[in-house]
Order: sequence, then C-alpha cells, then structure tokens
Amino acid sequence: GIQVEQSPPDLILQEGANSTLRCNFSDSVNNLQWFHQNPWGQLINLFYIPSGTKQNGRLSATTVATERYSLLYISSSQTTDSGVYFCAVPSTTGANSKLTFGKGITLSVRP
Amino acid sequence: KAGVTQTPRYLIKTRGQQVTLSCSPISGHRSVSWYQQTPGQGLQFLFEYFSETQRNKGNFPGRFSGRQFSNSRSEMNVSTLELGDSALYLCASSGSPGGAQHFGDGTRLSIL
Repeated sequence: GIQVEQSPPDLILQEGANSTLRCNFSDSVNNLQWFHQNPWGQLINLFYIPSGTKQNGRLSATTVATERYSLLYISSSQTTDSGVYFCAVPSTTGANSKLTFGKGITLSVRP
Repeated sequence: KAGVTQTPRYLIKTRGQQVTLSCSPISGHRSVSWYQQTPGQGLQFLFEYFSETQRNKGNFPGRFSGRQFSNSRSEMNVSTLELGDSALYLCASSGSPGGAQHFGDGTRLSIL
C-alpha cells in the first residue's frame, strides 16, 4: 500500500518563529489532507489540498503531486499551535475515504 | 452547522464485553469513516460507509463491525473486547467519498 512519511518527527520552536513541515508519499494521489491534533485529541482539518497552494491565516500548504510531497508552513507560531500535525492521503485509487496517515510531527511552541 | 458528533466521549469496559460507538455526521454528509488511534500503531482505517453500504474495510478482525442508517448516522461495534482494543476511536464524515474529511472529537475506550 501507499507509504506516507513525515519529517521532522519532532519540532521545538520559540513563539514567533516560522516552520516548515514535510510530507512525502510513495504513489500518485488525487487528494491530500493536513490535520492538527490538539492536546485534547481533537483532529482538526487544516487543508484539503490535492495540488497547488492554499493559505489560511498564518498557515499555508503546498502540494507538488508530480513530485509526491506536500509542505505545511506555519508562520509567527503561537503556543496554541502545539500538538501533532498529520498528513493523510487516500489508500487506494478512485474516490474513497480510506486514508493512510503519516506518523505525525509533534510540534511544541515555547512561550 | 454542527460538526461530527461522537458518543460517548469516554467508555470503560472489561475484557470479553462488547461495545457500540455512535457517530452523527455533519448535516448533509453521507460518507462516514471510522479510525482507530493507538500510540503504537497510529491512526488506522477501520471502515467507510456511504449510503448505508460499506465501501471499504481496513485490516481488522471480524470482531470489529459497523453499519450506517438511512439518516447517515453510523455505529461501530466491537465484540469480545481485548486489552489491545484500548484506543481513541475517531469518526469522520465527508460530503462524498474522496472529499475533505471532518473528524469528531472521538470516543476514548479503555479496556480493563
């Protein structure tokens, strides 16, 4: 099946710093999602981004489908950005909701 | 618009019992998926339902089953509970298969 790798596994930032999180996937995909899991376990949808670039406030994401990777940018980080960031892609071809998740990137933002 | 609602939020059971978890999708969403999250295995896909039909199934034993009702609400059932079934169970809904998935807050199941 498709493999999803995220890097780095852990990231510690000082409040106000910028960061880039990476997601590599092993096969062609027709969509990709980024999620943020907060310390209470809630998994929040950040971006649905099959290709191209999207921005939402301090966060933006870019997916280069032909090169099989996606990047999540966090600018001017805040302590509330702490948590685990997951990327996920469909496990099989065609329209389906069976997602394969990466192992996640644990982000800690220090005040 | 209300989000995905999962009940109960927390559940404690003992080995050998069975459990039923419930998920109400976002209004208008007909696709519902279930995932299990554990520290060791991460997030793993359980099932996907669309219009009351199971479209996909993950690699879990037959003790794990699910269904979807005509109002798109879904339930999953785990029978003969084992210690390893302790996990956070997450439900997601989307407007259509392959669309953006939105997750509920999860049910945290502990097996004693």
